[in-house]
Amino acid sequence: AQSVTQPDIHITVSEGASLELRCNYSYGATPYLFWYVQSPGQGLQLLLKYFSGDTLVQGIKGFEAEFKRSQSSFNLRKPSVHWSDAAEYFCAVGENQGAQKLVFGQGTRLTINP
Amino acid sequence: GAGVSQSPSNKVTEKGKDVELRCDPISGHTALYWYRQSLGQGLEFLIYFQGNSAPDKSGLPSDRFSAERTGGSVSTLTIQRTQQEDSAVYLCASSRLGYGYTFGSGTRLTVV
Repeated sequence: AQSVTQPDIHITVSEGASLELRCNYSYGATPYLFWYVQSPGQGLQLLLKYFSGDTLVQGIKGFEAEFKRSQSSFNLRKPSVHWSDAAEYFCAVGENQGAQKLVFGQGTRLTINP
Repeated sequence: GAGVSQSPSNKVTEKGKDVELRCDPISGHTALYWYRQSLGQGLEFLIYFQGNSAPDKSGLPSDRFSAERTGGSVSTLTIQRTQQEDSAVYLCASSRLGYGYTFGSGTRLTVV
């Protein structure tokens, strides 16, 4: 069965600092990987996705993520965070390109210090 | 529509009552999903529709939960005899193959 682990429940960074949110997955075949962001009281917005090809994927809002098969990881990064990036971030793994269910991690809450 | 629409946005109900939650997916999206998000928790899969059929309903927590989809479009999630542990945000998402999910804003259900 697929599973996703986000080791950090809560991260605090200063505005302008770099960010890396960790995600590890367990899946036997080639995974389809996603990062979503959820602002308070809102639904989830897709930041980026990896299906195949280049292992470094670019997303919206200046985020990127790198797929590392050897480490079963798909960490999310941003070079310089903005106060508006404060939100909950979810990593998810799917069996294929979106036709079946995604399994989500527990989420990482990001706080930005001014 | 432009996005996934869920109604109501908030629902407070008394324990033991039945509730219906509605989801209007993006036009043309054949797949539709229901998830539940409890306070401080991740997303728990409930059920997945492809067209009007539900190939995977493995996440429905009990027989008090049911869902249907009609016309390959609108879906309704019904919870019978609500319990306090049913309190959560219920999220609906739709997708077109290969493009990931688009989520609605959710229905916040509070059972008192």
